Amino acid sequence: GAVVSQHPSWVICKSGTSVKIECRSLDFQATTMFWYRQFPKQSLMLMATSNEGSKATYEQGVEKDKFLINHASLTLSTLTVTSAHPEDSSFYICSAFLSGAYNSPLHFGNGTRLTVT
Amino acid sequence: AQTVTQSQPEMSVQEAETVTLSCTYDTSESDYYLFWYKQPPSRQMILVIRQEAYKQQNATENRFSVNFQKAAKSFSLKISDSQLGDAAMYFCAYRNYGGATNKLIFGTGTLLAVQP
Repeated sequence: GAVVSQHPSWVICKSGTSVKIECRSLDFQATTMFWYRQFPKQSLMLMATSNEGSKATYEQGVEKDKFLINHASLTLSTLTVTSAHPEDSSFYICSAFLSGAYNSPLHFGNGTRLTVT
Repeated sequence: AQTVTQSQPEMSVQEAETVTLSCTYDTSESDYYLFWYKQPPSRQMILVIRQEAYKQQNATENRFSVNFQKAAKSFSLKISDSQLGDAAMYFCAYRNYGGATNKLIFGTGTLLAVQP
């Protein structure tokens, strides 16, 4: 089955530094990937839609300069949290579906737990 | 804009019993998909069941079934013969039909506890 790999699974960084999270589709091509953020005991909130070869589309209220998204290939999207602060600590999850199969279910990565100290 | 509402923050069920989780949604679209996802403590998102809005027949996956009422915009999940491994957060989700960038919109979730 379709597998989405997310790396790292957890990361601790110091305030002011930047952290990059990778999302890879291992056995399929993904034109579009989605990045979600989840606070403890809360739902998944869509941050942005990542499109291969073009700029990401950010949801209202998400700072595009803080959360940089790059989708350079059909199998890789990256989320970079720039100048991280403790309030950026959260669980980040990516998802993707098979290119062209727009009505197929989304496949989720295992998530990345970010802690900013 | 579409919205998804789960009115039960927490539910509890005895092992081997049946439980129903509620979900309502709001949309002006006629073609869409509805999903139930399970998120165990590992936080991996697991697809439980999926329903296409154009299908009148309720989807079923083993012990999991849905009651899809399109006119009422209701999409409940029934778990039969509950098992300890069913304990998790359950999210109802909505997605418009077609289109590469159609978003998956989640409800607030229901935390299900299974008592032995």
